[in-house]
Amino acid sequence: AQTVTQSQPEMSVQEAETVTLSCTYDTSESDYYLFWYKQPPSRQMILVIRQEAYKQQNATENRFSVNFQKAAKSFSLKISDSQLGDAAMYFCAIQGGSEKLVFGKGTKLTVNP
Amino acid sequence: DTGVSQNPRHKITKRGQNVTFRCDPISEHNRLYWYRQTLGQGPEFLTYFQNEAQLEKSRLLSDRFSAERPKGSFSTLEIQRTEQGDSAMYLCASSLHGQPQHFGDGTRLSIL
Repeated sequence: AQTVTQSQPEMSVQEAETVTLSCTYDTSESDYYLFWYKQPPSRQMILVIRQEAYKQQNATENRFSVNFQKAAKSFSLKISDSQLGDAAMYFCAIQGGSEKLVFGKGTKLTVNP
Repeated sequence: DTGVSQNPRHKITKRGQNVTFRCDPISEHNRLYWYRQTLGQGPEFLTYFQNEAQLEKSRLLSDRFSAERPKGSFSTLEIQRTEQGDSAMYLCASSLHGQPQHFGDGTRLSIL
């Protein structure tokens, strides 16, 4: 069974500052994908970033980057130059050995002007 | 690309009634997924289709739940004899093989 743990139920950041959201996971699969999804209030889940486990290089997408530590089974998300529109629930998820995504409980990010 | 479409957006029903939700995936996507999300939790996997074949079902999917994708395009999720614990957001997602899943807006089910 795969599990995802997000230990920060809530985080806040000042506009234009940087924030890091934590995620740890457990899997017995050797090949898997890790994801961060964003869910704004009453809106659909949107993919933020994807990391393939066999790639050592950390994925980046504009202001979003990850710190993937495979041995530690850690997958944190860094948001640089935070914007008001970044406010949302952020979910970490794993996909491996099956097509299904296994999600963590989420972190609610508040961006203060 | 019009995105994943789910209908209805909201459904309110009395306990014991049957409900059916519809999901229209992105047109070229052959994989379709159903998840359930309760308040304060991440989505939980229910079932997955590749074309019209239902390839995986979660233990969460009791006998009261059934999903179909008859022509490999849209899918329906039916819940029979609804219970209070069925109140949740039901999310549909679709993808191509090896690509990330794209989610719809969800159907919020409220059981009176």
